Amino acid sequence: GEDVEQSLFLSVREGDSSVINCTYTDSSSTYLYWYKQEPGAGLQLLTYIFSNMDMKQDQRLTVLLNKKDKHLSLRIADTQTGDSAIYFCAEANQAGTALIFGKGTTLSVSS
Amino acid sequence: GAGVSQSPSNKVTEKGKDVELRCDPISGHTALYWYRQSLGQGLEFLIYFQGNSAPDKSGLPSDRFSAERTGGSVSTLTIQRTQQEDSAVYLCASSDGLAGLDTQYFGPGTRLTVL
Repeated sequence: GEDVEQSLFLSVREGDSSVINCTYTDSSSTYLYWYKQEPGAGLQLLTYIFSNMDMKQDQRLTVLLNKKDKHLSLRIADTQTGDSAIYFCAEANQAGTALIFGKGTTLSVSS
Repeated sequence: GAGVSQSPSNKVTEKGKDVELRCDPISGHTALYWYRQSLGQGLEFLIYFQGNSAPDKSGLPSDRFSAERTGGSVSTLTIQRTQQEDSAVYLCASSDGLAGLDTQYFGPGTRLTVL
């Protein structure tokens, strides 16, 4: 079945870049997603990438997709304390009826 | 406009009791999803509704779990004879159900604690 794996924790200093990595198993997903969950809040779509793209940049966010290795990464430039949250990588399941999420990477930003 | 709302925000119940969790999707969204977020387990898909089509129930963990969606809008997730392992945050999401980029908008969740 589909599976999404990501590292559980990342700690960086304010102003540094953060890179959160994700691997997935199902290559049929048209889009791959990054969601953000702030403490005590629901999930919010942060960004996404179309599967035929290698890279997408959106302000401080850069998404890289390596389809051959089924590897997705999210880079946050100039990380701020407000970026502290849990970041989830997700892909659509084969039926297209749900998202398959990784377990989430907790990003901790220290000043 | 209003986002996805869920009620109650917190629910504490005793083992063996039944509970009902409610989700109000964004108006006009035809697709509705239930997920469960357990500590250390990430998000787990439970059930999916799309318009008048038969729901995808493949994620429901046992027959104690059921969900319905009345009138294509509000949905209720029911857990019968609750067990301690049912303790989790139950998240509802909705989307416009169109093909292609199908952004799911999540509610704040219901935190269920089974004592």
